[in-house]
Amino acid sequence: EVQLVESGGGWVKSGGSLRLSCAASGFTFANAWMTWVRQAPGKGLEWVGRIKSEFDGGTTINAAPVRGRFAISRDDSKKMLYLQMNSLRTEDTAVYYCVTDVKVAMDVWGQGTTVTVSS
Amino acid sequence: SYDLTQPPSVSVSPGQTVTINCSGDKVGAPDVSWYQQKPGQSPILVIYQDDKRPSGIPERFSGSYSGNTATLTISGTQQLDEADYFCQAWDSRSVIFGGGTKLTVL
Repeated sequence: EVQLVESGGGWVKSGGSLRLSCAASGFTFANAWMTWVRQAPGKGLEWVGRIKSEFDGGTTINAAPVRGRFAISRDDSKKMLYLQMNSLRTEDTAVYYCVTDVKVAMDVWGQGTTVTVSS
Repeated sequence: SYDLTQPPSVSVSPGQTVTINCSGDKVGAPDVSWYQQKPGQSPILVIYQDDKRPSGIPERFSGSYSGNTATLTISGTQQLDEADYFCQAWDSRSVIFGGGTKLTVL
């Protein structure tokens, strides 16, 4: 069974940093493209960015609102996905989901981890 | 960038058919996906590439597109289908989500 378990969320002051982790199991993580999606309280879904498999170059792309502040990385040996978030703003407050990316859709979603940024 | 527009809410009686539209000037085959999200839960993929259903998704869920509008159809709607539904497409190299539609099964 494919499982994604996020961790690392919490409370942080505006301007601070946080690193989210996602532990993957039940599939060949090294072959997978992975995506982060967030959802602000009571709001819709917002794509944060994706990382390709190392076989496909391992490149990342981020959404405009987080570009230059957030960085996605992966450790295939540990089957882990990461989201390093710097210069956090109050508008970054959201549940952050780790998702398997099958290129044409976002397939399996984790349970999410909550990030709260206060001023 | 561009927007995907969905109606904020739709309602349906149990057993009836309901459609949820998603419109945008770049919506088109083959890459519109639909996600279902129930309160307090993570989203799940119910339709991808406009009209494909992942394994495990009931046949009553179907998708289509015409012109600049993608449509999610639920036939024989059940109470357990009550949820928020989000469409998703691509804009150049980024992912765009619709604002979401709250489906109420009356």
